Amino acid sequence: QQPVQSPQAVILREGEDAVINCSSSKALYSVHWYRQKHGEAPVFLMILLKGGEQKGHEKISASFNEKKQQSSLYLTASQLSYSGTYFCGTERGNSGNTPLVFGKGTRLSVIA
Amino acid sequence: GAVVSQHPSWVICKSGTSVKIECRSLDFQATTMFWYRQFPKQSLMLMATSNEGSKATYEQGVEKDKFLINHASLTLSTLTVTSAHPEDSSFYICSARAVGSGANVLTFGAGSRLTVL
Repeated sequence: QQPVQSPQAVILREGEDAVINCSSSKALYSVHWYRQKHGEAPVFLMILLKGGEQKGHEKISASFNEKKQQSSLYLTASQLSYSGTYFCGTERGNSGNTPLVFGKGTRLSVIA
Repeated sequence: GAVVSQHPSWVICKSGTSVKIECRSLDFQATTMFWYRQFPKQSLMLMATSNEGSKATYEQGVEKDKFLINHASLTLSTLTVTSAHPEDSSFYICSARAVGSGANVLTFGAGSRLTVL
């Protein structure tokens, strides 16, 4: 079951904030966030595990509400380097060989 | 950190030929690797789960006779696109988790861009 991401695309000016949402109709064990630049492989940003945790690294943070089966990625004071497509990946178990199912992605463009 | 190496990074082939893509875990062992395919401006779609020493598990709609997966060792999985056609042109990406990493982080290879003429 593919998670649903919103918005599909967003354009920001440098310094502005953005929120990207990811929701699932199924119970989740974890949510993974990746950023992909054009022509490159996805780069891991962070993982949130069941337990309703929040995480952050500098100006990028995320939350995971397991009851609502939703996660949000928060980008604050955006920089040009934040441009790319953001994917959330979800897994339903912790067996170690459970693949991630990715949303359709949110294309973020940061302009000067 | 965990590193996954993928080769080749790009390949151009003629229709009807076969192409092999290698995926190696460089500093960890991976009993399971995952193969994804990504068409332009689309999401990463899981093709199959590669299991060391056993048959791969394919997602619905993925032809196992066309996309041959071999996981002969704990550090190497290969994907062979047999009798490739232009519609197989895509970005193929492998990924793996480091055993015992605890965080279940999925590490991706750099991807292989296949163009079938």
